[in-house]
Amino acid sequence: GQQVMQIPQYQHVQEGEDFTTYCNSSTTLSNIQWYKQRPGGHPVFLIQLVKSGEVKKQKRLTFQFGEAKKNSSLHITATQTTDVGTYFCAGSTDSWGKLQFGAGTQVVVTP
Amino acid sequence: EAQVTQNPRYLITVTGKKLTVTCSQNMNHEYMSWYRQDPGLGLRQIYYSMNVEVTDKGDVPEGYKVSRKEKRNFPLILESPSPNQTSLYFCASTRTSGFSEQFFGPGTRLTVL
Repeated sequence: GQQVMQIPQYQHVQEGEDFTTYCNSSTTLSNIQWYKQRPGGHPVFLIQLVKSGEVKKQKRLTFQFGEAKKNSSLHITATQTTDVGTYFCAGSTDSWGKLQFGAGTQVVVTP
Repeated sequence: EAQVTQNPRYLITVTGKKLTVTCSQNMNHEYMSWYRQDPGLGLRQIYYSMNVEVTDKGDVPEGYKVSRKEKRNFPLILESPSPNQTSLYFCASTRTSGFSEQFFGPGTRLTVL
């Protein structure tokens, strides 16, 4: 069945540095969504990518969808303490759009 | 305010004692889901519902039941809870399946002793 893998599982970042988290699927995806979950909170939608090669930016966050629609990345520049949390990607392959979540990347920011 | 509510937020129970976790949304969404979150495993879908009286199994449905008698409510039922169902549970709703933003509830932390 469809599997969505995320790497790395943990990311320790110095404040001000950049980092990237990756999402890979064993099958071609129809779309991919990214969510952020703050410690003790619930997942909150960040963005959705649908087109092959699509790139979207939200301030310091850059999201990419691979040309083959099997992978995606989230790049954060100049990390701040407010970026702490777990970032999940979620992709769908079927007509119903049932989402498959990755295991998440837990980000810890050191001041 | 658009939101998904869950109750209870925290629950400690014993093996075999039936329980229900309620979920309600006020956004008139057709599609609702239940997920469980376990360390290192991310969010795994338990059941989902595409509309009233239409439900289907997700990836980890064993030991769970759901019902969708009204559009706004989607309760999760554990008929005979076991310790391996100790987890953090999230209800989510979305306008149209996986192609729309999912709105998550605050979560229910369940411990089964």
